[in-house]
This record gives sequence, structure tokens and C-alpha cells, in this order.
Amino acid sequence: ETGVTQSPTHLIKTRGQQVTLRCSSQSGHNTVSWYQQALGQGPQFIFQYYREEENGRGNFPPRFSGLQFPNYSSELNVNALELDDSALYLCASSFIMNTEAFFGQGTRLTVV
Amino acid sequence: GESVGLHLPTLSVQEGDNSIINCAYSNSASDYFIWYKQESGKGPQFIIDIRSNMDKRQGQRVTVLLNKTVKHLSLQIAATQPGDSAVYFCAENIDTGNQFYFGTGTSLTVIP
Repeated sequence: ETGVTQSPTHLIKTRGQQVTLRCSSQSGHNTVSWYQQALGQGPQFIFQYYREEENGRGNFPPRFSGLQFPNYSSELNVNALELDDSALYLCASSFIMNTEAFFGQGTRLTVV
Repeated sequence: GESVGLHLPTLSVQEGDNSIINCAYSNSASDYFIWYKQESGKGPQFIIDIRSNMDKRQGQRVTVLLNKTVKHLSLQIAATQPGDSAVYFCAENIDTGNQFYFGTGTSLTVIP
């Protein structure tokens, strides 16, 4: 088991609503990355946070936003939810980028 | 976009046999690779990593081989066990960047 924990584990939201997902990084890790994994696909990079600043972003619209806190935990916020946002959202922590990245168990988001 | 792909979407092996999972990448600037195992309903689990200055790395029952000439990566699992049944992803980091690119994965089934 990694020390990366995510909450909640499952969530159902209605199209148009907003959602906040949370991640606690592994002890000693200062970098958190968020990924979206659609069913049957590999994870897709959303963005990364390092020392509370966004440090790179994948091909996701601005309604996907995030935060990192001084204790290195992180939030992923998604506004104006769409049906296609239904996926497993994964958080990965590492000491710095380009090093071992360990994933949490994910949050399964269903948009109806 | 993603540059990582897997040769075979599914692989079935007899318990006790060795497994080989292959992965092709297209970006010559890729310098760090991680193999992940993902069981149903869980987040990806770190198995082993390798940097581009190496061509082989061994772990417990696993070996990763990197052939930079043909941009190919493989994961060898010795004495495959039923608990090894999962989807395996190779993830690629390009030029010490901040994100990993994942392929669609190979589903390994171990037959008792």
C-alpha cells in the first residue's frame, strides 16, 4: 500500500454541478499529479502541483482546477460537470517530478 | 499526445510460467519509464522503473529491459502467479518533464 489517500472513493454528481476531490500525498513527497482514467484506457495527465504552484498541465479545459496546500495535500475541482467527466480520478505523489510516482486508489466519479 | 503503446492488449499464461509484456514508445527524448500494475477497482501500483542510461533493471521476480535503439520496453515476470493477474501499463516521462504518458495497458490473465 502506498501512503497516498484519496477521498471520497465514489461519487455521483449531476451534469452541471461542481465537484471537489481530495488527495493526501505520501510522507516526504512534495509533488502531486492528477490523472483522469476513462474505462479501459490508461491514465491521462490533468496537471501537477509542486510547492503549491501548478507545474504543468495536460490537455484539459480550465474548468478543471486544483490547489496544493502547505502540507502538500491537494484538491482537484471540476466545474460544470459533463457526462464525459465520468472516470476514475487518480492522484500520484512523488518527491519531485521525474521520479517514482505512487498512486492513490482513486475516486470513481459518475456524472448523470 | 501519448506516444506510448502496447503490442498486445491481452496475455494469458499458465501459472508458474514466465510472462513478457511489451511496450513501444515513439519519443526519443523519453528518459524515464515506470511499469505499473492495476487491479480492478484500484489505483496503479508501482512495480519497477528504469532510466534511459540503463538497459536492464531487476526487482523481485520482475525485470525491465529497455532498448533505446528500437524504442522498446518490456516487463518480464518470473514464475507468474494468480495474484499477478491485472492490467499492466508502461508510463513514459519525456525529457525530465512533469507528466507521465500511459498506453492503454495489457491485461494479463494467469491460468491456474
